[in-house]
Amino acid sequence: KAGVTQTPRYLIKTRGQQVTLSCSPISGHRSVSWYQQTPGQGLQFLFEYFSETQRNKGNFPGRFSGRQFSNSRSEMNVSTLELGDSALYLCASSLDGRGETQYFGPGTRLLVL
Amino acid sequence: QQQVKQSPQSLIVQKGGISIINCAYENTAFDYFPWYQQFPGKGPALLIAIRPDVSEKKEGRFTISFNKSAKQFSLHIMDSQPGDSATYFCAASRRRDTGRRALTFGSGTRLQVQP
Repeated sequence: KAGVTQTPRYLIKTRGQQVTLSCSPISGHRSVSWYQQTPGQGLQFLFEYFSETQRNKGNFPGRFSGRQFSNSRSEMNVSTLELGDSALYLCASSLDGRGETQYFGPGTRLLVL
Repeated sequence: QQQVKQSPQSLIVQKGGISIINCAYENTAFDYFPWYQQFPGKGPALLIAIRPDVSEKKEGRFTISFNKSAKQFSLHIMDSQPGDSATYFCAASRRRDTGRRALTFGSGTRLQVQP
């Protein structure tokens, strides 16, 4: 069974632009969570989608948004990029309705110049 | 507010030795404690997880010890191998009002196992 896939793997943007990242969960998984990983702040939870609805949200500004499609694929959008948004963005999927055991993708490394 | 504190930040162990990484949490509502292993360029991979009704869980060379009263848990890697060199994250989660969970991660420990 294929793992979590994320596209693109690398991305370079400039301040003020917006970006959309994509995540395809493991087949059959209905929950997708997004995390931001930086050297300074570590791994931080962004939000979770389950059955196309945002069920959980971390402490990030409204510039960070996401959505989930009927096939469980998810996208994350960051508008008005700031230098501090440079990070590895990780997507994790889980099978069970509790969202307990999460399987991570390889991440998208975003560099904002 | 750092809800899960992890130490040490880095660790160097000789091949065959025991690697020990410690974590402490504050929120007593946490009820699921996984450990993740991350290699450079990869996403974190679940290693082993424990619930607070169990004091120890072992899977191969990896053991979690859990002390509910002290609100601490630790990862022991027995017979450490160079291939274990990676960054290890402890995490904790609780069921929120929405019925869903989100992982709160520790700051990570970079383990280097010397041959």
